[in-house]
Amino acid sequence: NAGVMQNPRHLVRRRGQEARLRCSPMKGHSHVYWYRQLPEEGLKFMVYLQKENIIDESGMPKERFSAEFPKEGPSILRIQQVVRGDSAAYFCASSPRQISSGANVLTFGAGSRLTVL
Amino acid sequence: QKEVEQDPGPLSVPEGAIVSLNCTYSNSAFQYFMWYRQYSRKGPELLMYTYSSGNKEDGRFTAQVDKSSKYISLFIRDSQPSDSATYLCAMSEAGGFKTIFGAGTRLFVKA
Repeated sequence: NAGVMQNPRHLVRRRGQEARLRCSPMKGHSHVYWYRQLPEEGLKFMVYLQKENIIDESGMPKERFSAEFPKEGPSILRIQQVVRGDSAAYFCASSPRQISSGANVLTFGAGSRLTVL
Repeated sequence: QKEVEQDPGPLSVPEGAIVSLNCTYSNSAFQYFMWYRQYSRKGPELLMYTYSSGNKEDGRFTAQVDKSSKYISLFIRDSQPSDSATYLCAMSEAGGFKTIFGAGTRLFVKA
């Protein structure tokens, strides 16, 4: 039973290029979350998606960043016109349930490490 | 003020020591308290979670929550070199989807 799959694991881009990070949730999970991790800063929530819906994007920068989770295929985090400050590890997590009560247990992928030159 | 504060360490202990990792938080609405372990170049994995105040034990790991002090702890007994990792505390409100993480504490257990 494959876990959360992220690719690419490593991505190098020059300033001004676009970065696309992909995430396939665990089988049976329909909720996807993207987090960004900078050294010494822990994981910062970016966006929460369900199939074809963005539920909360309060952690996403207003410009250049977008996310989608189409009916078919992986979730994609897209960063346009990358800058050096976008260099970070981007983690995708998934969960199986609609949150009505209880802990929202997240299963994380191995992350995509973006380096902007 | 950050919602969740966690000392980033690093914390270095000899094998067999008891390790204490801690976090404080400011949001009194948090009800679920989690500990994740993250090995270098890997994604975080859930160790355990507790609901509201109290203790929970799982093998060598014990999680404690003191909501009155807004303080949570993770204890590791008989620490092993394989426990060397970054430990992240995390919290969420009941029914909430947004999990807030601490900065993580790097732990080194020396053989």
